[in-house]
Amino acid sequence: SQELEQSPQSLIVQEGKNLTINCTSSKTLYGLYWYKQKYGEGLIFLMMLQKGGEEKSHEKITAKLDEKKQQSSLHITASQPSHAGIYLCGADGNAGGYQKVTFGIGTKLQVIP
Amino acid sequence: KAGVTQTPRYLIKTRGQQVTLSCSPISGHRSVSWYQQTPGQGLQFLFEYFSETQRNKGNFPGRFSGRQFSNSRSEMNVSTLELGDSALYLCASSSQGARNIQYFGAGTRLSVL
Repeated sequence: SQELEQSPQSLIVQEGKNLTINCTSSKTLYGLYWYKQKYGEGLIFLMMLQKGGEEKSHEKITAKLDEKKQQSSLHITASQPSHAGIYLCGADGNAGGYQKVTFGIGTKLQVIP
Repeated sequence: KAGVTQTPRYLIKTRGQQVTLSCSPISGHRSVSWYQQTPGQGLQFLFEYFSETQRNKGNFPGRFSGRQFSNSRSEMNVSTLELGDSALYLCASSSQGARNIQYFGAGTRLSVL
């Protein structure tokens, strides 16, 4: 079964600093999702990446997919307290058919004002 | 459009009891997936229902079951509760299936005493 490893597991940054979270898959990636979760609440969809080399941005968050490395990165520029939360990556393990999405354990981000 | 609604938000049960959780998906979404989230294991896939049929199942014991109704609303049942079942249970809906973007509810926090 597919496993996703996220690094770092937790991160504390000063407001205004940039940061990067990585998600590495044990198998080929056919689709990669990034979600954000506030403690004890549901997940909020951020971005979906489907092709190698694909890069998407939303406000100050940019995600990239490196198909060869089976890895995705999430980069936050000029972090703000509103960016605090748990970031989870999720992945499709199969090219076709229906397949459950596997999630990483998450990266907890704290932003200090 | 209204989001995914999960009820109840909090539940306290004792070992041996059973519990039923409810999930109302976004209008028009036919797929509902259930996840268990714990600090140690992260987000674990339970099962997915699509048009009233279970289409995918995770590695959970038979005490965990679910169903989906003709209006796409879904219920999850856990029988003979164990202490280890304490977790945040999340449901997610999507238009085609778990491979598409999933929209999550706020979750039901279950505590088993």
